[in-house]
Amino acid sequence: TQLLEQSPQFLSIQEGENLTVYCNSSSVFSSLQWYRQEPGEGPVLLVTVVTGGEVKKLKRLTFQFGDARKDSSLHITAAQPGDTGLYLCAGAPTNAGKSTFGDGTTLTVKP
Amino acid sequence: NAGVTQTPKFRVLKTGQSMTLLCAQDMNHEYMYWYRQDPGMGLRLIHYSVGEGTTAKGEVPDGYNVSRLKKQNFLLGLESAAPSQTSVYFCASTLSGTGTQYFGPGTRLLVL
Repeated sequence: TQLLEQSPQFLSIQEGENLTVYCNSSSVFSSLQWYRQEPGEGPVLLVTVVTGGEVKKLKRLTFQFGDARKDSSLHITAAQPGDTGLYLCAGAPTNAGKSTFGDGTTLTVKP
Repeated sequence: NAGVTQTPKFRVLKTGQSMTLLCAQDMNHEYMYWYRQDPGMGLRLIHYSVGEGTTAKGEVPDGYNVSRLKKQNFLLGLESAAPSQTSVYFCASTLSGTGTQYFGPGTRLLVL
């Protein structure tokens, strides 16, 4: 079983602060995805990274895939209350037909 | 285009009862998945399917069965429900095995 470890598990910050969430594994993934889940709903895709060292930006969110394709990070600049939610990373091994999810980081941004 | 739908949205069962959860997708996706999500945890894969007529076990398959008779539908069955199966169940589909997964809204199951 390929495990994805996310840290921190919980994060509570004030509006305007910056934060970084990590997703680490000992396994190599062909692609890695970040999802955001709000209470009572299913996860929604934020980004997919596929190339080692790749950096993608989505407004105030910056995603990075490690050079060895074993880890990833999500950085949020100037967090807003609307960023509150559960952030999940998911890794897909080559041709596996399925992904492994981390346990998630619960982010709370206080106004 | 409804995406991924799940029925029912909420169900209460007594220990030992059986039920079937239905997942339907209208995106012509080949791959479909059933996950369970427990408080403070991520998604754990129960069973999945890489195409019509095929199914495979995930991380936590015990106590569950699945069927994929039609490409657009993926059914999850509980033959004899146990309190440990109290959870939120999510269905997802994707065009390819490593692509974006589209999730349904979830089914909340309480087993007493």
